[in-house]
Amino acid sequence: AQSVTQLGSHVSVSEGALVLLRCNYSSSVPPYLFWYVQYPNQGLQLLLKYTSAATLVKGINGFEAEFKKSETSFHLTKPSAHMSDAAEYFCAVSEKNNFNKFYFGSGTKLNVKP
Amino acid sequence: KAGVTQTPRYLIKTRGQQVTLSCSPISGHRSVSWYQQTPGQGLQFLFEYFSETQRNKGNFPGRFSGRQFSNSRSEMNVSTLELGDSALYLCASSLELAGYEQYFGPGTRLTVT
Repeated sequence: AQSVTQLGSHVSVSEGALVLLRCNYSSSVPPYLFWYVQYPNQGLQLLLKYTSAATLVKGINGFEAEFKKSETSFHLTKPSAHMSDAAEYFCAVSEKNNFNKFYFGSGTKLNVKP
Repeated sequence: KAGVTQTPRYLIKTRGQQVTLSCSPISGHRSVSWYQQTPGQGLQFLFEYFSETQRNKGNFPGRFSGRQFSNSRSEMNVSTLELGDSALYLCASSLELAGYEQYFGPGTRLTVT
């Protein structure tokens, strides 16, 4: 079974600062990778996904993530944080032969300070 | 196109009761997955249905069950509720395509007292 590790359950940045949220997966075969965002009392919204095309993936709201096979990582970044980015972020993986079964990381809550 | 809808949004039940939650997927999506989200355990996969058949199952007791109808709508049932079943239950729908994302509904917040 896959496992996903998100380092840092809480991350705090100042408005305008770089956002870096870390995600590492365990798989010998690169899976499909996703980042989702969850605002309070809402479901999950897809930010971006990696499906073995370009290793640098651009998503919505200025977020991007880079797939690094050698490091089994898929870290999420945004050059300049906005107050509206405050939310919880989840990294997820799915297997290539079982692609509708997602494994989620434990989540990282992003706080943006004015 | 309408998103994934879940009903009810909030539910309060008593220990020992049973509950049924409903999910309507995005039109054209035939795969429906259910997840349980709690502060302690995070997001955990319950099961996935495709064409009215359970195709994947997570590590939950048999008290958790589900079904899917011919129009792809899905229900999940939890029998003999326990306090630990209090959670946000999320439904997600997807196309039958490798690497395709899952679209999530707003969830049903279940509180067991």
